[in-house]
Order: sequence, then structure tokens, then C-alpha cells
Amino acid sequence: SYELTQPPSVSVSPGQTARITCSGDALPKKYAYWYQQKSGQAPVLVIYEDSKRPSGIPERFSGSSSGTMATLTISGAQVEDEADYYCYSTDSSGNLVVFGGGTKLTVL
Amino acid sequence: QVQLQESGPGLVKPSETLSLTCTVSGGSVSSGSYYWSWIRQPPGKGLEWIGYIYYSGSTNYNPSLKSRVTISVDTSKNQFSLKLSSVTAADTAVYYCARAPPHGDYVGAFDIWGQGTMVTVSS
Repeated sequence: SYELTQPPSVSVSPGQTARITCSGDALPKKYAYWYQQKSGQAPVLVIYEDSKRPSGIPERFSGSSSGTMATLTISGAQVEDEADYYCYSTDSSGNLVVFGGGTKLTVL
Repeated sequence: QVQLQESGPGLVKPSETLSLTCTVSGGSVSSGSYYWSWIRQPPGKGLEWIGYIYYSGSTNYNPSLKSRVTISVDTSKNQFSLKLSSVTAADTAVYYCARAPPHGDYVGAFDIWGQGTMVTVSS
């Protein structure tokens, strides 16, 4: 099996930078993707292929990856960014799809 | 703009088979090189990938569910479906259908999701 590990929670004040990490052994070879999920809603893709931002996603969302860790950065976090964030990737074979356990971001 | 919509029973009895359908609108399930996927989320927990069917018809399932899962496509109805057999209370979850384009030879980002449908397993 394969696992992606995220911190359960991250807390920042409005305007601060929030960083959410995702660690996995295959990340040096496989891309990481990030999803934002607000309460009662379907997940929304905010970062794909480590660092690319889909159209419509604010510029304050950015992503990076180095070694076995991918990072989602929210620069100048806003109250509306409060949500659960999930990373997603595959194992080294590319055939096993895995989501991280999720990180609850609190902005207050 | 492609949209996905899940449908199916909201209540399933233990040991029975859960059956859900995802209807694709604004596009065709048989055109383009997409992975059509099912993902679930138990109440208060994280996301779990169930499996996908590629536009070519090949499938790939989560090993933890593989013995109980079947994903298929009905091109005439522009739908794809999930069947999960021998369900227990542990299968209670919101079930999402999602689309992912390929990235090279593998699945890429799940870029379009349905709104999700809650399925409860209870007698």
C-alpha cells in the first residue's frame, strides 16, 4: 500500500501565510495535486502538477514539491479559505490513486 | 461545460449491492481520453478513491475494495456506474463521481466532480 501524510490541522490569522504539507515516498517521481473542500461541498482542485493553478483559483494559492514533500501555500490567507485541504497523488507505478488524510485549515 | 450528476438509492441494506450512476452532461463519456472515477467520503472522514474506468474500457480499482467493486460505462445513456457488493455499515459515505484527464500514461487531476450523493447502509 501507499500513504500520503498530512498534518491534521493548521491554524493562522487572517493575512498570514498558511503552509500545508503532504509527504509520500513516491512524490519525487509523481505529481501532487491539491483540493479544497468546504463543509457540505464537493472538493475543488486548487493546484495541479505540483505547482500549476487552475483558472479561477486566486493567486494566493501556490504549490511546490521537493523530495518526498509537497507543500500548498496560501499567502495572505483569508477567512473564506477555511476548509479541509487534501493532497492526491499516485504510487510509483502510477496505478494506485491515494489521497492524504486531509488538513483542516482554520483562519481566525 | 461538462457536468456530472450522481443518482441512486440513498439507503442500502447490509449484505446487498450498492448501485450508483453518474450522468455526464455537456460532453461525451466516450470521447476524449478521460478517466471516469468514483471516490467516497465517510461522514467526518477523508476521501477514498474507489476506482476508475478509462475511456477505452479498462478499469483500475482500489486494492482494498477490488473484490467487491465493478465500474462500467453505458455510452448509449452517456453514463458510468458503480456497483459495490456485500456492503456493510463501513460503506456508509458520500459517493462522488469525478473526471480526470490523463497525464502521460497515467491518471491526472480529478478536475470535475459531481455534487455527491449520500448512501447509508442500514437495515
